[in-house]
Amino acid sequence: EADIYQTPRYLVIGTGKKITLECSQTMGHDKMYWYQQDPGMELHLIHYSYGVNSTEKGDLSSESTVSRIRTEHFPLTLESARPSHTSQYLCASSLDRGHSEQFFGPGTRLTVL
Amino acid sequence: AQSVSQHNHHVILSEAASLELGCNYSYGGTVNLFWYVQYPGQHLQLLLKYFSGDPLVKGIKGFEAEFIKSKFSFNLRKPSVQWSDTAEYFCAVNAETGANNLFFGTGTRLTVIP
Repeated sequence: EADIYQTPRYLVIGTGKKITLECSQTMGHDKMYWYQQDPGMELHLIHYSYGVNSTEKGDLSSESTVSRIRTEHFPLTLESARPSHTSQYLCASSLDRGHSEQFFGPGTRLTVL
Repeated sequence: AQSVSQHNHHVILSEAASLELGCNYSYGGTVNLFWYVQYPGQHLQLLLKYFSGDPLVKGIKGFEAEFIKSKFSFNLRKPSVQWSDTAEYFCAVNAETGANNLFFGTGTRLTVIP
């Protein structure tokens, strides 16, 4: 079944740890995205990718990095987590056309102590 | 850059009441417009979208939205809400040029009382 997956769903971690949030899709989409969402706030785009070996920064500056080695996989990494990184991270994918629907994963809720 | 305003942060309605959620955007060029919904504990999913043609678009579960270009608006409507419509609703816009990335509003939380 075509879907988009994120792991872990919840993560509580101490300051200074390196973390990787996983995102995989079986939709056959070229374009993938990472959003950050805080309660009561809009989703902010932090990274996106047009396809393999393509990564771009979004509208919200983020200390995280991403990679796109395989079409279906778009992991996000924080080298040294801080409490300011506490947030919900949503992964999405779409066809690379302006009016294409974005499909979202369930999100990862990250808490950095 | 585009921006999206959703003026209603939390709306509480009784079942069978009519719903209208406001959405205004700022961008002078051609845009695509979307409403997404997030039911409790579920993924964000598309309700409906507009990119050309009839400015009145119909989506899933009886929702519709009207694009009024002169007002830069894309309000969401439903004539009679149900308890199962309780969710968070997000308006989003992207431009036809450039990276086509979505800009989201802050969302409106709808609570429907049985």
